[in-house]
Amino acid sequence: GAVVSQHPSRVICKSGTSVKIECRSLDFQATTMFWYRQFPKKSLMLMATSNEGSKATYEQGVEKDKFLINHASLTLSTLTVTSAHPEDSSFYICSARTLAGNEQFFGPGTRLTVL
Amino acid sequence: GQNIDQPTEMTATEGAIVQINCTYQTSGFNGLFWYQQHAGEAPTFLSYNVLDGLEEKGRFSSFLSRSKGYSYLLLKELQMKDSASYLCAVRDSNYQLIWGAGTKLIIKP
Repeated sequence: GAVVSQHPSRVICKSGTSVKIECRSLDFQATTMFWYRQFPKKSLMLMATSNEGSKATYEQGVEKDKFLINHASLTLSTLTVTSAHPEDSSFYICSARTLAGNEQFFGPGTRLTVL
Repeated sequence: GQNIDQPTEMTATEGAIVQINCTYQTSGFNGLFWYQQHAGEAPTFLSYNVLDGLEEKGRFSSFLSRSKGYSYLLLKELQMKDSASYLCAVRDSNYQLIWGAGTKLIIKP
């Protein structure tokens, strides 16, 4: 199957700093990428949908200025958590979908801890 | 509103069979997915159903009834490594995945 990578896998940062998470589709072109957040023992929460070359579509309640998403190429999307606070600590997962595909391929996730 | 229901937790014995049910109410339907998620890891794809009936893939099978808004994931010959959360997700008319909260499956020896 197709492979999606995320970097970093784990990050610890101080409150007030910004953190960038990369999501790459390694062997296919992803016209659409999704960013999810997962709290312990809860289901995945869709944060935003990004289409290559256009602005991301954010879900209700997700702050656009806090979670900056860039989908600059067909194989790379980035999520930047700006001015991170402890409540932003979570497991962030990206997924990618091809134009014709019936599957969403998930990255391994990034565990963010904000001190 | 859109809603996906699945049991919170199930327990089964190694070597046995377990069925995890999922019922859904969504705006439109473009397929139902089952994912497996081990603690601390991202979900991995298990199955996809878009037509009614049973899809078999090794020890795992998934069934769909669109008229009833119902699916189940059947796991046979359970192994300890099958201990995980199983997530049901439905793709709606906007092609977005709507997720259930997941079923934590505990396998006992």
